[in-house]
Amino acid sequence: QLVLTQSPSASASLGASVKLTCTLSSGHSSYAIAWHQQQPEKGPRYLMKLNSDGSHNKGDGIPDRFSGSSSGAERYLTISSLQSEDEADYYCQTWDTGLAVFGGGTKLTVL
Amino acid sequence: QVQLQESGPGLVKPSETLSLTCTVSGDSISSYYWSWIRQPPGKGLEWIGYIYYSGSTNYNPSLKSRVTISVDTSKNEFSLKLSSVTAADTAVYYCARLRGRYFYYMDVWGKGTTVTVSS
Repeated sequence: QLVLTQSPSASASLGASVKLTCTLSSGHSSYAIAWHQQQPEKGPRYLMKLNSDGSHNKGDGIPDRFSGSSSGAERYLTISSLQSEDEADYYCQTWDTGLAVFGGGTKLTVL
Repeated sequence: QVQLQESGPGLVKPSETLSLTCTVSGDSISSYYWSWIRQPPGKGLEWIGYIYYSGSTNYNPSLKSRVTISVDTSKNEFSLKLSSVTAADTAVYYCARLRGRYFYYMDVWGKGTTVTVSS
């Protein structure tokens, strides 16, 4: 069964960079994922689709500060020059045999 | 620019059927797959299911026995019905557009609507 694993929390300072990780379960290391951001009290927003080779397609209006990369079964979301509005929950999502799967989400705190 | 708007009752009694509608504006519903996702209070996202404009559907196995998703292309909207609800179905319900080919992802989300199950 396909499972996406995310750390429950992360923190970084204003202006710094942070790298969030989403890990695909064994046997699924070739899968693409999507990253979604959910700011407090708001609905999710699509950030990017991230392929296993690290190539990614960002959503409209997503700043260049957001980038994605891949290594094996791990998919990363890097946010540089952190701003206060980046404090949010970040979810990874994939697709398997007609079903969508979400990771548990990472709550990012900007210090 | 495509926009999605969820609507429906905010309060549903236990054992009854939850009914929500997602109205699509700015694009034709006949071009994509469409999905429902929910988020219980303080928890993560849970995928409910999807529908194509032709009417083909697929559902989360954990909810499959209680879920029906339908589409009305003349109104450019799609709907969710969840039967025999309990307090565990209390959540914010989101509709979303799916993009992709073999891999699908939600590229446009609605703002969500809160549904509380309580007598």
